[in-house]
Order: sequence, then C-alpha cells, then structure tokens
Amino acid sequence: AQSVTQLDSHVSVSEGTPVLLRCNYSSSYSPSLFWYVQHPNKGLQLLLKYTSAATLVKGINGFEAEFKKSETSFHLTKPSAHMSDAAEYFCVVSGLGNQGGKLIFGQGTELSVKP
Amino acid sequence: KAGVTQTPRYLIKTRGQQVTLSCSPISGHRSVSWYQQTPGQGLQFLFEYFSETQRNKGNFPGRFSGRQFSNSRSEMNVSTLELGDSALYLCASSLDVWQPNTEAFFGQGTRLTVV
Repeated sequence: AQSVTQLDSHVSVSEGTPVLLRCNYSSSYSPSLFWYVQHPNKGLQLLLKYTSAATLVKGINGFEAEFKKSETSFHLTKPSAHMSDAAEYFCVVSGLGNQGGKLIFGQGTELSVKP
Repeated sequence: KAGVTQTPRYLIKTRGQQVTLSCSPISGHRSVSWYQQTPGQGLQFLFEYFSETQRNKGNFPGRFSGRQFSNSRSEMNVSTLELGDSALYLCASSLDVWQPNTEAFFGQGTRLTVV
C-alpha cells in the first residue's frame, strides 16, 4: 500500500535561513509524489509534483524537492525562508492504478518562521 | 478563471441531523474528490467521482455518501451526524480521470461543527 511519513510535526526557522521539511514514502511502484501547502483557514495549494521525470523538482515560491529512490525520500527545501512561508505542509502520494485519484496525505509539518 | 467553490463555508449542526455539502469544480473539470480533515486523523480520502460515477471510496461508514451531477458539480451528504464528524471537508477538482501528471485543485473547504 502507498503511504508517506513526514518526519517532523513542527519545524521552526529564522527568516532568511534554509528550510528542510522531510518526507519518506512507501510505494510498490514508481510513485507520483506531491507537496501541498495550507495556510490558516485556506484550502490546499500545490507546491510541486514528481511524476518520474527529473528527480529534482522545482515548484512555486522558490521551493524544490528531490526524489531519492534509494532513500525512499522526497524532502522539501527552500534556500531562504520568508515570513509568508509559515503554514502547514503536506507530503502526498497518489494511489496505484485506478486508485490514482485517491491522494494519501502525510500528517503534515507545521512551519514557523521567526523574524 | 474561478477556482473550486465550496458552499457553505461554515455549518453548525446538531447530533443526529443530516447535512449536505456542495462543491462546484473549476469550469471544464470533470473529476471531483472529497477529503475530511481533522486534527487527530489528518486528511483522509472520502470519495472520487468522474462523469457522475463514483470511482473510489475511502474507509468511511455508510452515513457518508456523495454524488456528482451532469455539470460535474458534486454534493456529499452525512446522515445521523456524530460529534466526531466535526471537521473541515475539502473538495478537489481535476481536469480528467486521474493520470500521473494530474494536478488536483482544492477548494477552501466547509467547516462542519456538530454540537
């Protein structure tokens, strides 16, 4: 079965410092992986997606993630945090085959950014 | 173009009542999925609809049901409400039946409180 594990429930960084949000996945086949962000009282916004093309994926707002099959990881990074990055981040894997439309979410990582 | 629209945004119901939530997908999108978000269980998949047909269903009791209309709008219904049904219900739309490159666009959700 497909699953994702977000290794940190909360990450705190200072503005201008790098961000690292960690995600490990479990999948029988080459997975489709996503990172979504949720700001307070808002819906989910797609940051980036991996679908077996380039292993380094660039997303919006300066975020990127690297797919590492050997480590079953898909960590999200950003070189320099901004106050507006404070939000909850979800690592997501899609289901297999005709279950592909079913998105399986990690438990989320809350990112705090200190001035 | 307009995003995914969910109505109502907020709802308060009493235990034992039933509730209907509505989702209008992005114009031209034919696939709609529903998710429940709670602090304890995180984001969990409820249903996926495409062309008025339910393609996938999550692990929820039969009190949770849904449907999709010919214009792709979708409704979900929860009968005999329980306190544990209090949650943010998110709707996502995508252009077509799911493929690895598919992007799901989320609405802002309906916040249901059961008292």
